Amino acid sequence: AQKVTQAQTEISVVEKEDVTLDCVYETRDTTYYLFWYKQPPSGELVFLIRRNSFDEQNEISGRYSWNFQKSTSSFNFTITASQVVDSAVYFCALSERQGTGNQFYFGTGTSLTVIP
Amino acid sequence: DVKVTQSSRYLVKRTGEKVFLECVQDMDHENMFWYRQDPGLGLRLIYFSYDVKMKEKGDIPEGYSVSREKKERFSLILESASTNQTSMYLCASSRQGNSDTQYFGPGTRLTVL
Repeated sequence: AQKVTQAQTEISVVEKEDVTLDCVYETRDTTYYLFWYKQPPSGELVFLIRRNSFDEQNEISGRYSWNFQKSTSSFNFTITASQVVDSAVYFCALSERQGTGNQFYFGTGTSLTVIP
Repeated sequence: DVKVTQSSRYLVKRTGEKVFLECVQDMDHENMFWYRQDPGLGLRLIYFSYDVKMKEKGDIPEGYSVSREKKERFSLILESASTNQTSMYLCASSRQGNSDTQYFGPGTRLTVL
């Protein structure tokens, strides 16, 4: 079973629209971490945010905001007033303890296209 | 800033060749990872390492091996490249602990003919 599910494969929006990228995760750990990464056309994954399982406060950073809800195992990402530069593939990831270390699980990504 | 570099951005090899993909990080991170990325499949973990000379298999280790002789360097080896190993390969590093963010290199797009 997928540990991290990003059901939206591709999304297209017109510039200045808001868009929400969904992420649902599965874990039995009580302590875990969730991440969002952006992969622009250049290919390098860029870290956007990390959230631990004990902090359900929503976070806002400029046009970006994240909604973490443990009750629904979701960690959704909203871009407000989208811009062409937001066009990228976005990955949600889960980190949980495994043995002596930790392992990341990535979703399959959501490709966002912002149309000018 | 964390810097993860990979030896090549693009690589073309022939079936049966031995291929080395090198990854170097400059932040003294304990953990290093190799992923491959394919359309519709996201990132899949090939191997990871928590320390020098230590390695553990990820989800898809078949056909690959790794080497970590120094803390800053983690090499991915394709002993005999095959066409189904054509992919984007991403290296990442992080400090110890599951709270720590993985930082990624720019990726190597490998084509096996």
